[in-house]
Amino acid sequence: GAGVSQTPSNKVTEKGKYVELRCDPISGHTALYWYRQSLGQGPEFLIYFQGTGAADDSGLPNDRFFAVRPEGSVSTLKIQRTERGDSAVYLCASSLTAFGTEAFFGQGTRLTVV
Amino acid sequence: AQKVTQAQTEISVVEKEDVTLDCVYETRDTTYYLFWYKQPPSGELVFLIRRNSFDEQNEISGRYSWNFQKSTSSFNFTITASQVVDSAVYFCALSFNTGTASKLTFGTGTRLQVTL
Repeated sequence: GAGVSQTPSNKVTEKGKYVELRCDPISGHTALYWYRQSLGQGPEFLIYFQGTGAADDSGLPNDRFFAVRPEGSVSTLKIQRTERGDSAVYLCASSLTAFGTEAFFGQGTRLTVV
Repeated sequence: AQKVTQAQTEISVVEKEDVTLDCVYETRDTTYYLFWYKQPPSGELVFLIRRNSFDEQNEISGRYSWNFQKSTSSFNFTITASQVVDSAVYFCALSFNTGTASKLTFGTGTRLQVTL
């Protein structure tokens, strides 16, 4: 597609439920990133994929969070046993290569855990 | 550690005024990139500029200009003759290579409100 696409745009879930957030990057971009943005804050790094592999998942807050990119394109961020503190906007970005090239962001998924 | 500081939380100006958004960064790396992104109310982060650590030339793009000074670790952004459409949150970010990943570290953003 023309830009990074994220679905759903909004997700409301009950505490304890499992959610999946999807990211479709720009075609041909090998690098894919997930960030989380809380209200009034800048985005915070969660995980980075180069191709199919997670090159760096040091930003994932705990083992309830997991992400995959099985074919090197679409990525899914999975959150188990959601907590109210997980409420935030989850942003996906992709870039042509890794270091130094600009990352293009999607519009994000606003996750609300009630 | 990598850090980006945007000390100005919110700025309000009247249309046609010039405004400068400050950005100060910290890094031990000698090779890094600096970015500015705009986040309008729609939420999508829009790329504005990238500057690498070896290029201290200032840049002008239309009403936008950027001043990069390694001596003060600053990468400030000026909007000349501001317009209402410039109203948004602006983020400064630092990209560094950990060897296995390229991460962006963002500041907390500056909310710019331009009124008529």
